Formats: sequence, structure tokens, C-alpha cells
Amino acid sequence: NAGVTQTPKFQVLKTGQSMTLQCAQDMNHNSMYWYRQDPGMGLRLIYYSASEGTTDKGEVPNGYNVSRLNKREFSLRLESAAPSQTSVYFCASNGGQAFFGQGTRLTVV
Amino acid sequence: GQQVMQIPQYQHVQEGEDFTTYCNSSTTLSNIQWYKQRPGGHPVFLIQLVKSGEVKKQKRLTFQFGEAKKNSSLHITATQTTDVGTYFCAGDRGSTLGRLYFGRGTQLTVWP
Repeated sequence: NAGVTQTPKFQVLKTGQSMTLQCAQDMNHNSMYWYRQDPGMGLRLIYYSASEGTTDKGEVPNGYNVSRLNKREFSLRLESAAPSQTSVYFCASNGGQAFFGQGTRLTVV
Repeated sequence: GQQVMQIPQYQHVQEGEDFTTYCNSSTTLSNIQWYKQRPGGHPVFLIQLVKSGEVKKQKRLTFQFGEAKKNSSLHITATQTTDVGTYFCAGDRGSTLGRLYFGRGTQLTVWP
């Protein structure tokens, strides 16, 4: 039982490049989330998905897109990376309590 | 705006001292949850409080949920170096969307 699996763990991008962060959960949870964490800012919600086929914007959605591919998978896409998107990204699923992935440490140069 | 306020942002204590972090919500919550994130790690669930006025203990950790279900606290008695990390509260409004509103966290440093 892996819980929430996030890939990659580390990534360096050049400004303007695109990438997709992958997330999968094996707990049959309906709700899934993408957060970013910056020093002193806590966990800020980028997008969430209450169920398969639905997605909603969180606090800081600009510059990101998401896809809830099926119940297990929720991906986050950066179409044109900017230095301001340098952060640690966490995927989570919620079945009454939140389970977080290990995080992706993204640097945009 | 910030739905759940958490203070203090940082706390530095000497080993053996007590520590408390507080959360306050602008709206009534159906439950509140607490998470701990070790340095370099990811947030891990600690506990959930559901009832008005509820108090729960986990060894040296005491969690309280206010009578109005809008505020909560986490108190650690006699801190140890293993308590180092960031503690987050997360409020659940009880909607079917399952969204949690996280506080910004309190980063605890413990000197040996």
C-alpha cells in the first residue's frame, strides 16, 4: 500500500519550459489536491479535485493547469515555467484525513 | 483571504520547555486536524478533533477544540529534540468537496 506517490522528487527547469508533475493514490479517495509550499507561507492550495472529472481553483492557480485523469491520478502542469514557481509541490488525497506525497522540489532558473 | 489563522509562525524553545500553537478560523468548522512536518519531509496527520470542547492527548501532546468550533490549540509538554518540525492545523468546513483549510504552520525549533 503505497499511499500517495508523486514524481519526480526533484526537477530543475529553465524559464519557459513546461513539465507535468504526476500524482497517484491507491486509497480510493475522491478528493485530491495540489499544494505549493514556500518558506513562511505554509501550504497554499493550487487546485483541487473533489471527484473524478471535476477540478477547481484554489488560492494560487495562475500559471498551472491540472487533469484528474481518473480516480487515482491527478496531474499538475506548468505550461511555461517562471522563477516564481520555484517551490516544493505536494500532492495530497483526502479520505477524512489528508495523505501527502513525498513532494517535488522544483527549481526554475 | 486566509481562512485559518495560526500563531506563532516561529517558536524557539529549550529542551524541556513547553510549546503551544494556536489556530483560529473565521467560520465554524465540522472538525479540525493537526499535522506535523519534519524538516525536509511531508506533512503527516496527527489527530482529528470533532466535538465542541474536545480534548485529546497523545503522550506529551494535548489538542483542544474550542466550544464554538472555531479555534484549536496544540500544546507540547516538556519538548524534546524529536519534536522539531512545523505543525499545521487544518480546518474542515464539512462540505462535500472535502477541502481542508490549512493554517500557515508554526515552525518549532528545540535547543538541546
